[in-house]
Amino acid sequence: ETGVTQTPRHLVMGMTNKKSLKCEQHLGHNAMYWYKQSAKKPLELMFVYSLEERVENNSVPSRFSPECPNSSHLFLHLHTLQPEDSALYLCASSQDLGRTCTFGPGTRLTVL
Amino acid sequence: AQSVSQHNHHVILSEAASLELGCNYSYGGTVNLFWYVQYPGQHLQLLLKYFSGDPLVKGIKGFEAEFIKSKFSFNLRKPSVQWSDTAEYFCAVSLDNYGQNFVFGPGTRLSVLP
Repeated sequence: ETGVTQTPRHLVMGMTNKKSLKCEQHLGHNAMYWYKQSAKKPLELMFVYSLEERVENNSVPSRFSPECPNSSHLFLHLHTLQPEDSALYLCASSQDLGRTCTFGPGTRLTVL
Repeated sequence: AQSVSQHNHHVILSEAASLELGCNYSYGGTVNLFWYVQYPGQHLQLLLKYFSGDPLVKGIKGFEAEFIKSKFSFNLRKPSVQWSDTAEYFCAVSLDNYGQNFVFGPGTRLSVLP
C-alpha cells in the first residue's frame, strides 16, 4: 500500500469503552499528526510527533492518548469519550515538521 | 498564536465562472502556505503549496494561488470552474520545522452548478 492508511474507517463506541485508532504511513516521512475534523469547525491539530517524539499536545483532554512506536505508525488510544468527541479523526504525515502533509482517509468516530 | 481565516463559508458558482477564494493568515514571519481540497466522500488532498520563490503558484486541475506578503494573503483562483470542482477548500499555514503551527482555516465550501 502507498500513502497514509487508517483503520478502522468507522467506529462506534460507548462512553465507557476503550478503543484505538491506527495510522500507518508508507512514505518514509519523519513527522506524523493527529487532527480532529468536526462539522462546522476548523481542522484541529491534536498531536504532533517528529522522529517518534511528541512535539506538541494542543491541550487535548487526557481521554485521548497518542502513541508513536516508530516513524511509520501512530495510534490514538481512546478512553471514556464523550458524545462531543464524535468526529472524523485524520492522520497525516510529512517529510519534516511544517512541510506538506499527506492525509489519510480518516476514521469516522461516533460516541454514543 | 497563528490563525488562518477564509473569507467565504459557502460559494456557489455556475460552470465556467471564475473563482477566487480568499485566505489570510496572522503570522508575521516566514511561512509555508497550502491549499487542500476535500471532494465529497474523499480525504484531504494537496492542491498546491508555496514555500519560497515565485509568489504565483500553479497547482493541479488548473488552480493557482498568489502569495501577497504585504497583505498576509494566499488567495486561490481558477479562471473557469467545472462541476467536478465542487468540494471543500482549506487554506493552511505552517512554519518550517515547527509542526505545532500547521494550522488550517475553517474551509470554504464550493458548489458548482452544472
